[in-house]
Amino acid sequence: DAGVTQSPTHLIKTRGQHVTLRCSPISGHKSVSWYQQVLGQGPQFIFQYYEKEERGRGNFPDRFSARQFPNYSSELNVNALLLGDSALYLCASSLGDRVNGYTFGSGTRLTVV
Amino acid sequence: AQSVSQHNHHVILSEAASLELGCNYSYGGTVNLFWYVQYPGQHLQLLLKYFSGDPLVKGIKGFEAEFIKSKFSFNLRKPSVQWSDTAEYFCAVKDRDDKIIFGKGTRLHILP
Repeated sequence: DAGVTQSPTHLIKTRGQHVTLRCSPISGHKSVSWYQQVLGQGPQFIFQYYEKEERGRGNFPDRFSARQFPNYSSELNVNALLLGDSALYLCASSLGDRVNGYTFGSGTRLTVV
Repeated sequence: AQSVSQHNHHVILSEAASLELGCNYSYGGTVNLFWYVQYPGQHLQLLLKYFSGDPLVKGIKGFEAEFIKSKFSFNLRKPSVQWSDTAEYFCAVKDRDDKIIFGKGTRLHILP
């Protein structure tokens, strides 16, 4: 079984540009969450989607948006990139119930220059 | 807001030493607790989780954690560490909205 897959693995963007990160959850998982991990910190929650509906949003500016598709894959979009957006962006999927944890992908390393 | 505190940012041990990493959380309701590990260059992996029942939880690779409700703690332990345990360890809590809140992590370095 494939795990959570994210693309691309690495990305370099210029300040002011826009970026789209993609995530495919484990087959059968209906919940997808996005996290930002800055070097030296724990992952910070950005968004959670379940059955294509936004279930939660962390403390991130409106430049960050996401969506989930009918096949449960997801995209994270970031507009008007800032240097401070440089981080590892993690996607995690779960069954969406309360008794299971999340399985994380390897992440997308975004560098904004 | 829920929060997770990890007491040690950086721990250095020799092989065969015993390990205990501290974790405290602020959420007062029913909690689901996790420890994740991130080996160098790899993705986050679940070490163990607590949802209910026996407060002593056993995970992979010889790790265990004890949930102490009165202390809001969920410390990670291993009786004898190996060089391959060098990694970053994250304590996390799942809140009532089903999102996972992570601590800042503890970098563990095992000397061969």
